[in-house]
Amino acid sequence: GENVEQHPSTLSVQEGDSAVIKCTYSDSASNYFPWYKQELGKRPQLIIDIRSNVGEKKDQRIAVTLNKTAKHFSLHITETQPEDSAVYFCAAPPRRDDKIIFGKGTRLHILP
Amino acid sequence: NAGVMQNPRHLVRRRGQEARLRCSPVKGHSHVYWYRQLPEEGLKFMVYLQKENIIDESGMPKERFSAEFPKEGPSILRIQQVVRGDSAAYFCASSPGLGSSYEQYFGPGTRLTVT
Repeated sequence: GENVEQHPSTLSVQEGDSAVIKCTYSDSASNYFPWYKQELGKRPQLIIDIRSNVGEKKDQRIAVTLNKTAKHFSLHITETQPEDSAVYFCAAPPRRDDKIIFGKGTRLHILP
Repeated sequence: NAGVMQNPRHLVRRRGQEARLRCSPVKGHSHVYWYRQLPEEGLKFMVYLQKENIIDESGMPKERFSAEFPKEGPSILRIQQVVRGDSAAYFCASSPGLGSSYEQYFGPGTRLTVT
């Protein structure tokens, strides 16, 4: 199937706290899982990605974890800052080496 | 090192007119994707092209919409006889290789308004 489910649709966290966004995918052969950030009126930009041969990847305050057995992957943002406020999209291919399908997005609000 | 270029950035069309959206990929990229984004919604896949070849158009409406990526020049998304429901942001993205293993680089989008 071609289903990428993303939760929650909206998330508000206090500045300095952590934010976690989760996605599930349907095809066990999917091999690439990117996360994109889209600020208001701007283009989506890749912030981190993970391939199916690793379980976790970190880049400063951002990390992604992958559970291939459960077919889900999560974005973790620690020590959140006002500039983290944006819409975040996960994506996965419906089949190995296919196009990617995006989740519906999570609107993250960082509260002062 | 130019990124993905799209033009026009804003396009206003009356119902029944044609809209032509252009996308120039990152230099050296041979694969282009088109997505549609309605306000407050996600990115919906439309079509995936390689130069002179449509790889996957499963997300394209069957009527009025067409896309091409010629050997020379930009990729074009063409919408004939536009209707109000076509109003959306249309993003293209390019990648250097075939399939999901390659990062997609997005353009700034074309915001189409149908009046």
